[in-house]
Amino acid sequence: KAGVTQTPRYLIKTRGQQVTLSCSPISGHRSVSWYQQTPGQGLQFLFEYFSETQRNKGNFPGRFSGRQFSNSRSEMNVSTLELGDSALYLCASSPGTSGGTGELFFGEGSRLTVL
Amino acid sequence: AQSVAQPEDQVNVAEGNPLTVKCTYSVSGNPYLFWYVQYPNRGLQFLLKYITGDNLVKGSYGFEAEFNKSQTSFHLKKPSALVSDSALYFCAVRDWALTGGGNKLTFGTGTQLKVEL
Repeated sequence: KAGVTQTPRYLIKTRGQQVTLSCSPISGHRSVSWYQQTPGQGLQFLFEYFSETQRNKGNFPGRFSGRQFSNSRSEMNVSTLELGDSALYLCASSPGTSGGTGELFFGEGSRLTVL
Repeated sequence: AQSVAQPEDQVNVAEGNPLTVKCTYSVSGNPYLFWYVQYPNRGLQFLLKYITGDNLVKGSYGFEAEFNKSQTSFHLKKPSALVSDSALYFCAVRDWALTGGGNKLTFGTGTQLKVEL
């Protein structure tokens, strides 16, 4: 079974631009979560999507948004990029049912550098 | 709110020696606890989890973890460390304070494990 796939793996943007990151979950998984990882703040939860609906959201400004498609693939978008948005963005999938144990399966991440 | 703490930023151990990476938790209700490992510029890989049952949980790559309810701890252990175990280790807890039955994990700050020859 294929794992979680994130694209692109690396990208460089300049301040003020926007970026879209993509995540394809494990087949059959309906929940996709996004995390931001930085050396200073560690792993921070951005949001979770389940069956095309945002189920939970972290404490990030409105510049960070996401969506999920009917095939469970997800995208996240960051508009008006700031230097502080430079980070590794991790996508994780899970079956998503409330009876599950909460284990997440992570992709390799998208490394965003903002200049 | 659920939280986990990893008191050590870095742990150094000689190859062949036992290793312990510490984690303490704070939760309301029954804890679902996890350990993940991250190699440089890679995503997180699942090692093991505690949901219920035996306090000693065995996971991938020879790792195990001991759940201690009275000490609210979930320390990661391995009897004999390898140089290839050198990586960043994260403890995590499932956050039950969510609406809609979400699957959010709250992570610790991570512990860098360095295994030397």
